Amino acid sequence: SQTIHQWPATLVQPVGSPLSLECTVEGTSNPNLYWYRQAAGRGLQLLFYSVGIGQISSEVPQNLSASRPQDRQFILSSKKLLLSDSGFYLCAWMGNIGAKYEKLFFGSGTQLSVL
Amino acid sequence: GESVGLHLPTLSVQEGDNSIINCAYSNSASDYFIWYKQESGKGPQFIIDIRSNMDKRQGQRVTVLLNKTVKHLSLQIAATQPGDSAVYFCAETRGGADGLTFGKGTHLIIQP
Repeated sequence: SQTIHQWPATLVQPVGSPLSLECTVEGTSNPNLYWYRQAAGRGLQLLFYSVGIGQISSEVPQNLSASRPQDRQFILSSKKLLLSDSGFYLCAWMGNIGAKYEKLFFGSGTQLSVL
Repeated sequence: GESVGLHLPTLSVQEGDNSIINCAYSNSASDYFIWYKQESGKGPQFIIDIRSNMDKRQGQRVTVLLNKTVKHLSLQIAATQPGDSAVYFCAETRGGADGLTFGKGTHLIIQP
C-alpha cells in the first residue's frame, strides 16, 4: 500500500532563517506531488506541484521554492523565512495517474511558526 | 485561488442527529468533487467523491449530493458521532495535474 511521510511535524524558525521541509512517498512510482499551505481559518492553497523529477510548477509567487530530486521525494525550501510564511504545510500525492478523476492523499502536515 | 466556498464556517449538531454541510462552487467546468475530513493538527482525509454525471452518491453513513444547476454540493452525515467532529472541506477539479481547489472549510461540532 502507498504511504506518504512528511517531516518535521512542528517547526519554529526565526525570521530570515532558511527552511527545508521534506516529503516522501512509498509504494507508488511517478506520482504527481503537491505542496499546499493552510492558514488558520482558511482552505488549502496550492503552492507547487510536480509531475516528474526536476519538473516544478508554481501556483503563486512567493518566498518559497520546491524541488524534486528523486521520483518520490518533494522538498519545500526557503532561503529567508518571512513572518507571513507561518502556516500548516501539507504534502500530497495524486493516485492512479492516467485517470482523469483522481483524489489527493495527504501527509500529516508541518506546523511552521516563524517568529 | 478559492473558487469553492462553504456557506457556514461552524456547524453545531447534537450527537445522533444528522449533519448537513454545504458547499458552493463557482467553476461550472469542474466535473469532479471530493469531500475531505480534517481533524485538528492532521492532514485531510478522503471521505467521498462524486463525478458531475451523478447527483447522489452514498457511502457508509455519508451521502454527497450534487446540484449542477445551482453549483451546490452537500455532505450529509447520518447519526453524527463524537468522532465526526472535524473540519470538512469540499474540493473541485476539472481533472489535470494541478490538483484540487479547496473551500474554506466547515467546523463540525458535536454536542453531547
